Amino acid sequence: GEDVEQSLFLSVREGDSSVINCTYTDSSSTYLYWYKQEPGAGLQLLTYIFSNMDMKQDQRLTVLLNKKDKHLSLRIADTQTGDSAIYFCAEKDNQGGKLIFGQGTELSVKP
Amino acid sequence: DAMVIQNPRYQVTQFGKPVTLSCSQTLNHNVMYWYQQKSSQAPKLLFHYYDKDFNNEADTPDNFQSRRPNTSFCFLDIRSPGLGDAAMYLCATSRPRGVSRANEQFFGPGTRLTVL
Repeated sequence: GEDVEQSLFLSVREGDSSVINCTYTDSSSTYLYWYKQEPGAGLQLLTYIFSNMDMKQDQRLTVLLNKKDKHLSLRIADTQTGDSAIYFCAEKDNQGGKLIFGQGTELSVKP
Repeated sequence: DAMVIQNPRYQVTQFGKPVTLSCSQTLNHNVMYWYQQKSSQAPKLLFHYYDKDFNNEADTPDNFQSRRPNTSFCFLDIRSPGLGDAAMYLCATSRPRGVSRANEQFFGPGTRLTVL
């Protein structure tokens, strides 16, 4: 079945770049997403990438997709303390259209 | 601003006492979803509505029901909450795939359910 995996924790210093990695199993996924969840809050869509793209950049965020290895990453440039949150990678199930989430990576940004 | 609203933000109920969680949206999206998210876990889809068509996930317990009286509102009913049902419940909306290719889902802030 479909599975999305992420490392659980990442700690960086303020001003450094953060790279959050994700692997997925469904090679037919057409879209992959990154969501951010702050404590006690819902999920905020950060960005998404279409499967025929290798890279997408949006201000401080860069998404890289390696379709051959089924590997997705989110790079946050100049990481700020306000970026501390849990980041979820998700793929879209092409049969039912539902999202399959990874377990989330907790990003901790130290001043 | 167009948004997804969930009420209440925090709900406490007793073991076995029915509870209803509410979601409303001003986005006019056709599709509405309910997810359950337990502590330190990924959100898990319970069911979704495409307009009035209800789609239940195979592993969603019968204890969980949903109603969608109109486009704007969707309710999650838990008939007999158990201790294991304590979680954050997230509502989300999206436009159909034919309208929005990326089919992005927009989430509400969630309702945290405590079962005593």
